Amino acid sequence: AQSVTQPDIHITVSEGASLELRCNYSYGATPYLFWYVQSPGQGLQLLLKYFSGDTLVQGIKGFEAEFKRSQSSFNLRKPSVHWSDAAEYFCAVGGVPGTYKYIFGTGTRLKVLA
Amino acid sequence: DAGVIQSPRHEVTEMGQEVTLRCKPISGHNSLFWYRQTMMRGLELLIYFNNNVPIDDSGMPEDRFSAKMPNASFSTLKIQPSEPRDSAVYFCASSKGQGAYEQYFGPGTRLTVT
Repeated sequence: AQSVTQPDIHITVSEGASLELRCNYSYGATPYLFWYVQSPGQGLQLLLKYFSGDTLVQGIKGFEAEFKRSQSSFNLRKPSVHWSDAAEYFCAVGGVPGTYKYIFGTGTRLKVLA
Repeated sequence: DAGVIQSPRHEVTEMGQEVTLRCKPISGHNSLFWYRQTMMRGLELLIYFNNNVPIDDSGMPEDRFSAKMPNASFSTLKIQPSEPRDSAVYFCASSKGQGAYEQYFGPGTRLTVT
């Protein structure tokens, strides 16, 4: 069955430090992959997406993610974190055959220290 | 272009009352999704529509929940009668189609049932 795993529930980084959020998926074909961010009291906002082609994708707010088929991973990165990046981040897989469903990970809550 | 619009943003009601949540998807999107988010269960897909037709309602928790999409620009999620365990944030999302298209989320309705 398809699944998405975000192994880190909470991550704390200092402002200006680099960030990597992990996402692993289980899927029988080439997945459509997404990262969303949710600020407190807000809906989910799309950061970036991977459908095909270049495995390194750029998103909004200075984020990027790399698709690694061999590792079934789609990790989110940012070279220098800002205090405003504190939020919850969700990885998702779409394109489940025969449905319109996304499969969301359980989220990683990011805390940024000043 | 306006995003997904949800109303009300906050709803407080007493147990046993009927609650109706509303959603206006992005114009031109033909898929609409209702999600529920809680601390305990994370983000759950309740139901989704394609071209105004319910495709999969397997996530609807019980018969007290119902959803309709009378036209391409409006959907409702109704809970009757409401119970305290229904307290959650309810999100509506829309997309252009199946799988490969990103979902755009509304700001959510925070429901509190006392």
